[in-house]
Amino acid sequence: EDKVVQSPLSLVVHEGDTVTLNCSYEVTNFRSLLWYKQEKKAPTFLFMLTSSGIEKKSGRLSSILDKKELFSILNITATQTGDSAVYLCAPRGNYGGSQGNLIFGKGTKLSVKP
Amino acid sequence: DTAVSQTPKYLVTQMGNDKSIKCEQNLGHDTMYWYKQDSKKFLKIMFSYNNKELIINETVPNRFSPKSPDKAHLNLHINSLELGDSAVYFCASSQGLGGNEQFFGPGTRLTVL
Repeated sequence: EDKVVQSPLSLVVHEGDTVTLNCSYEVTNFRSLLWYKQEKKAPTFLFMLTSSGIEKKSGRLSSILDKKELFSILNITATQTGDSAVYLCAPRGNYGGSQGNLIFGKGTKLSVKP
Repeated sequence: DTAVSQTPKYLVTQMGNDKSIKCEQNLGHDTMYWYKQDSKKFLKIMFSYNNKELIINETVPNRFSPKSPDKAHLNLHINSLELGDSAVYFCASSQGLGGNEQFFGPGTRLTVL
């Protein structure tokens, strides 16, 4: 059965801190892994990772995938209060059938205090 | 604005009623989805529609039926609502099913009393 585990489940930091969010997964015929940020409403896309060892970067956020060890991390440097959100990890299996869907983890709730 | 939109944003209803949630995307995508996010914030796929055909049904109760009048719309109809159906329902769309970013609608919070 496909499984996604994110850790920690919640995290409280102060502005300026650096955080690392973890996602481990077991997905049949893995194809890609997506990270989303969910504030009050809809999840918004951050990164899509398909290859091991290649860091994706967007401003203060970066993410990397390890397909051998079946995990991904999301780093946020110099955190700001606007980074407060739930961060969702979602690996995807092969195209077609249930394996084509995103399988969401329970998320890491990040709270950044001023 | 290009986006995925849902109506209504909030829906409060009694057990046993039938209700529908509408979803529209103007991104030109060919695949649309419905997700359920329960009180524990766990986001789970319910349905996917590609080119007007249901291609994935994640064993949800048959009281839930997706209806797609055209490629830009995927509505969710729910019969005989139960307390456990209370959740936030998100519509999403993507171009293609495999490996592409999904764009989410703002969600519909359904409360069954």
